[in-house]
Amino acid sequence: GAVVSQHPSWVICKSGTSVKIECRSLDFQATTMFWYRQFPKQSLMLMATSNEGSKATYEQGVEKDKFLINHASLTLSTLTVTSAHPEDSSFYICSARDGAGLGSEAFFGQGTRLTVV
Amino acid sequence: DAKTTQPPSMDCAEGRAANLPCNHSTISGNEYVYWYRQIHSQGPQYIIHGLKNNETNEMASLIITEDRKSSTLILPHATLRDTAVYYCIGIANFGNEKLTFGTGTRLTIIP
Repeated sequence: GAVVSQHPSWVICKSGTSVKIECRSLDFQATTMFWYRQFPKQSLMLMATSNEGSKATYEQGVEKDKFLINHASLTLSTLTVTSAHPEDSSFYICSARDGAGLGSEAFFGQGTRLTVV
Repeated sequence: DAKTTQPPSMDCAEGRAANLPCNHSTISGNEYVYWYRQIHSQGPQYIIHGLKNNETNEMASLIITEDRKSSTLILPHATLRDTAVYYCIGIANFGNEKLTFGTGTRLTIIP
């Protein structure tokens, strides 16, 4: 089946630095990818929709200048957490849909655990 | 997306069938019912989806009521590896529709 790969699986960074997370669709093209964040013992919260070749669409309450999304190709989207702070520590997950319309399903990456110290 | 309601937690004995209910009384005619599960510290895994007919694959069966207001995910022979949070999501099946997750059901398989 279709595979979505995230890199890195985990990262520890110092407060104030920026961190980039990559999301790749390995065997299909995805014009749209989604970025989620998950805090401990909570459900996944959609942060933004990444559109290939255009600006991302952010959910209400998500700062677009802090969470920079780039979707430069049909197989790669990146999320950059800028000027990270301890409260940004979370599990970040990307998703991509294989195909459009009938019967398509979304596949998820393995997630990236970000710890800001 | 249709609002879905699931019990927060369930237990099931290993080897028995696990039946996970989901209410989606406001689901519209073009919305599919999708099921995903998330094992601790991993990304969600697709299980199955359906519109109005019952569906079965190698992982599970999905039973959708005739009025489509509720459905049941069935894991026929639960194993310890099936311990996870299971999410039921209603979504129109157009390519770029986003998946919105509720709180799901935490299923614990008991040895």
